[in-house]
Amino acid sequence: QVQLQESGPGLVKSSETLSLTCTVSGGSISGFYWNWIRQPPGKGLEWVGSIYYRGSTHFNPSLKSRVTISLDTPKSQFSLRLNSVTAADTAVYYCARVGDILTAWPFAIDYWGQGIMVSVSS
Amino acid sequence: QSALTQPASVSGSPGQSITISCTGTRSDVGSYNLVSWYQQHPAKAPQVMIYEGSKRPSGVSNRFSGSKSGNTASLTISGLQAEDEADYYCCSYAGNSTLVFGGGTKLTVL
Repeated sequence: QVQLQESGPGLVKSSETLSLTCTVSGGSISGFYWNWIRQPPGKGLEWVGSIYYRGSTHFNPSLKSRVTISLDTPKSQFSLRLNSVTAADTAVYYCARVGDILTAWPFAIDYWGQGIMVSVSS
Repeated sequence: QSALTQPASVSGSPGQSITISCTGTRSDVGSYNLVSWYQQHPAKAPQVMIYEGSKRPSGVSNRFSGSKSGNTASLTISGLQAEDEADYYCCSYAGNSTLVFGGGTKLTVL
């Protein structure tokens, strides 16, 4: 059974950098996109970006200038860095797995982490 | 890349059917048969109910069905049950390995 677990600080100061890591267990990194999705309190889901197992990255155009996603395959981890944060970045951040076009569920999110609440303080 | 458009809320009585629409553009919903639907209960991570527009994962009730016409995808839930009360989100492939979500729909079972 594939499991994803987010980790990182729950509080970040305004203008600083938010850093989160997702650890994947129970499955291979290969063949998938590894995603970050966020949900502000009381609001909807927003796709932040992803990294393909081969290393290419893809971002929401509205966040592209502030986002970095990296992959550590030997550790089965991928990470998010979001710089210059403001109160608008306060959200539950989920890491999630998405299959590529050759998988059973292409471009659908089949596994999610439990989510981690990150608050930005002024 | 703009969010897909969903109604903010829908409601229905137990046993009835409801449909949630998800309107995109020719750049996302209209160009790919890669719309998925997610159910989210309060304080829980979402879970997939439909993928590739109309396919149901193993374990998802056949009361859930998906379809698409042009730039609009739809999720229909038949035989509404109290446990179906949740938020529902559509998500579409939008080209260049990107995804876009709908704004979400709150389903109330009366």
